[in-house]
Amino acid sequence: AQTVTQSQPEMSVQEAETVTLSCTYDTSESDYYLFWYKQPPSRQMILVIRQEAYKQQNATENRFSVNFQKAAKSFSLKISDSQLGDAAMYFCAQGSNTGNQFYFGTGTSLTVIP
Amino acid sequence: GAVVSQHPSRVICKSGTSVKIECRSLDFQATTMFWYRQFPKQSLMLMATSNEGSKATYEQGVEKDKFLINHASLTLSTLTVTSAHPEDSSFYICSARGSLAGGTDTQYFGPGTRLTVL
Repeated sequence: AQTVTQSQPEMSVQEAETVTLSCTYDTSESDYYLFWYKQPPSRQMILVIRQEAYKQQNATENRFSVNFQKAAKSFSLKISDSQLGDAAMYFCAQGSNTGNQFYFGTGTSLTVIP
Repeated sequence: GAVVSQHPSRVICKSGTSVKIECRSLDFQATTMFWYRQFPKQSLMLMATSNEGSKATYEQGVEKDKFLINHASLTLSTLTVTSAHPEDSSFYICSARGSLAGGTDTQYFGPGTRLTVL
């Protein structure tokens, strides 16, 4: 079975500091991609960052970067210079490039302390 | 700007009535759309996957006769909750798989629909 695990239900970070959210996954596929989505109180799912499994280079998007360890099936999200607007639920997800399978983790609630 | 719209954003209905939720991809054609249900403080639960012009594929435990899905075009999928009951009250989210101009294949999510059944 394919699963995505987020072992941190809640995390907090001081404003302007850095925080890392953990995610591990289990898949038998070789062609897949990984995502981090943000869900603020409005509940709109917002794509934060995407990583193709075949790419060795870690994806970055401004203050957001990932540490993709393919062998360990780990895909953590680092948020630098945390801002109050970063407070949200963060979901890690794994999708298939060859099919429609898409799996979400259970989410991590991030609090940013002013 | 939003690439997937969902309508209505909120709906309140009486028990026994049917409710239709629309999901539209605005900037791209989506061959595949997904419907999720989300309970408070929980992750998204995939209900079904719909492909344009074919029958939807439902996840185990989801009643296909209760949650009717129609993917009529490459930009529109609808979810109809038939004979709604209070236990159907939830937040329903759709997503569309596709790529924006010059972009990579990604799932884009609608803003969700809050359904309350009285």
